[in-house]
Amino acid sequence: KAGVTQTPRYLIKTRGQQVTLSCSPISGHRSVSWYQQTPGQGLQFLFEYFSETQRNKGNFPGRFSGRQFSNSRSEMNVSTLELGDSALYLCASSLGLEKRGEQFFGPGTRLTVL
Amino acid sequence: AQSVAQPEDQVNVAEGNPLTVKCTYSVSGNPYLFWYVQYPNRGLQFLLKYITGDNLVKGSYGFEAEFNKSQTSFHLKKPSALVSDSALYFCAVRDAIKAAGNKLTFGGGTRVLVKP
Repeated sequence: KAGVTQTPRYLIKTRGQQVTLSCSPISGHRSVSWYQQTPGQGLQFLFEYFSETQRNKGNFPGRFSGRQFSNSRSEMNVSTLELGDSALYLCASSLGLEKRGEQFFGPGTRLTVL
Repeated sequence: AQSVAQPEDQVNVAEGNPLTVKCTYSVSGNPYLFWYVQYPNRGLQFLLKYITGDNLVKGSYGFEAEFNKSQTSFHLKKPSALVSDSALYFCAVRDAIKAAGNKLTFGGGTRVLVKP
């Protein structure tokens, strides 16, 4: 079974631009979560989607948004990019609402904002 | 609010020696606890989890972890470390209450360096 895939793997943008990252979960998984990883702040939760609905949201500004499609694929969007948005963005999928299950992570998208 | 602390930024160990990576947590309800490992330029790889039951949990690649409720700890251990275990290790907690969703709260990570 294929793992979680994320595209693109690397991205370079300039301040003020916007960016869209994509995540395809493991087949059959319906929950997708996004995390931001930076050297200074570590791993921080962005949001979680299940059945096209946002279930949970982390403490990030409104410039960060996401959505989930009917096939469980998810996208996250960051508008008006700032230098501090440079990070590794990780997507994780799990079967569903079963809280006991582990999340499976993709390789991440490394975003560099210049 | 839930939180995780990994008190050591780096752990150095000689190959063949025991490896311990420390983790303490705080949640309002019952904890679900996880360990993940990250190799350079890779995502996080699941090692093991504690949900309920036996306090000693066995996971992948010879790793195990001990849940201690009174000390709110979940230390990761390996009896005999390999050079290939050198990586970044993350402890994470999920609150069992429904409102918390599937959100994982991670510790700051501990870099493990195993020397030959």
